[in-house]
Amino acid sequence: DAGVIQSPRHEVTEMGQEVTLRCKPISGHNSLFWYRQTMMRGLELLIYFNNNVPIDDSGMPEDRFSAKMPNASFSTLKIQPSEPRDSAVYFCASSWGGEETQYFGPGTRLLVL
Amino acid sequence: GENVGLHLPTLSVQEGDNSIINCAYSNSASDYFIWYKQESGKGPQFIIDIRSNMDKRQGQRVTVLLNKTVKHLSLQIAATQPGDSAVYFCAENRANSGYALNFGKGTSLLVTP
Repeated sequence: DAGVIQSPRHEVTEMGQEVTLRCKPISGHNSLFWYRQTMMRGLELLIYFNNNVPIDDSGMPEDRFSAKMPNASFSTLKIQPSEPRDSAVYFCASSWGGEETQYFGPGTRLLVL
Repeated sequence: GENVGLHLPTLSVQEGDNSIINCAYSNSASDYFIWYKQESGKGPQFIIDIRSNMDKRQGQRVTVLLNKTVKHLSLQIAATQPGDSAVYFCAENRANSGYALNFGKGTSLLVTP
């Protein structure tokens, strides 16, 4: 079975550019989570969705970050405009409703120059 | 300015020995706990979980112990192998936040031959 799929796996961009990260959760899972991992702050929850509805976005750093989940099989995390301090590994995870066990994707390594 | 990274506790063990990784959690209301393993360049991988109505749970070569009195969680790995070298994270479910998890800072396990 396919796990959580993320794309791209690596992204290098220049400050000010728009960045879009994509995630396909495990089929049948109805909760989706976006995390950011840095050496400074560890693994931070940015936002999570349940049944395509954002439940908790308190971890979203600022208005430059936005996330959408138009359907049960796809989500995006957008940064506009990007800044060097956004450089991190961004993970998407999904879980089945009623269970807390989250399954992580391979991550997108973002470098903003 | 200088980028000071997150200093992870490091546990170094010899191949074949047993490993014990400890974690203190903060929320006495948490009722679900989980351990993840993260290898370099990969996403966190589920290892084992435990609910607060249990003190111990065993998997294949791994055991999780939960001490609710002192809010302490540990992961025991039997007969540690080089492939066990990774960063290990404990996580607890967040109070009043659905299925979101709070992650600890992680412990780096290094297995030497």
